[in-house]
Amino acid sequence: TQLLEQSPQFLSIQEGENLTVYCNSSSVFSSLQWYRQEPGEGPVLLVTVVTGGEVKKLKRLTFQFGDARKDSSLHITAAQPGDTGLYLCAGAGSGGSNYKLTFGKGTLLTVNP
Amino acid sequence: NAGVTQTPKFQVLKTGQSMTLQCAQDMNHNSMYWYRQDPGMGLRLIYYSASEGTTDKGEVPNGYNVSRLNKREFSLRLESAAPSQTSVYFCAEGPRPNTEAFFGQGTRLTVV
Repeated sequence: TQLLEQSPQFLSIQEGENLTVYCNSSSVFSSLQWYRQEPGEGPVLLVTVVTGGEVKKLKRLTFQFGDARKDSSLHITAAQPGDTGLYLCAGAGSGGSNYKLTFGKGTLLTVNP
Repeated sequence: NAGVTQTPKFQVLKTGQSMTLQCAQDMNHNSMYWYRQDPGMGLRLIYYSASEGTTDKGEVPNGYNVSRLNKREFSLRLESAAPSQTSVYFCAEGPRPNTEAFFGQGTRLTVV
């Protein structure tokens, strides 16, 4: 079973602060996605990273895939209240697990004005 | 989320009742999925369909059945609802198995 552990589980910060969310596993993934989910809504895809060491930027969000493709991080610069939500990482397996995405349990981010 | 439509959005069932959750996508993608989301448990795959005409079990299939009616539609049926099936159910679709998924808005189901 491939497991993804996200940390921290909860994060409450003030507007303008920076933060990093981590997604770690002992398994290798062929790709990894990050989603954001707002209350009462379904998760929305933010980014997919495929290559070990890859870094992608989406405005104030920076996503990195570990060199060994076992972990990833999401860094938000100058957080805003609109960034509030549940951030989920999901790994795409290979071989026997190639039918599904494995989701972490999420990091609940609250950005206070 | 506009590409995936789930109905109903809310439902309350009594133990033992049956119901079908409907899902339709307009993205013309092959793969469709049903997940449930519970506090502290994350998203867990119930069933998936890699392409029209095929369905397979995910992590937590017990108590559920699915039908891939055509390329657009993938329904989830609870034959005899139990309180343990109280959850938020998400339908999702994607271009290929094991790649990014696009989710609907969810069905909030309570079994009393």
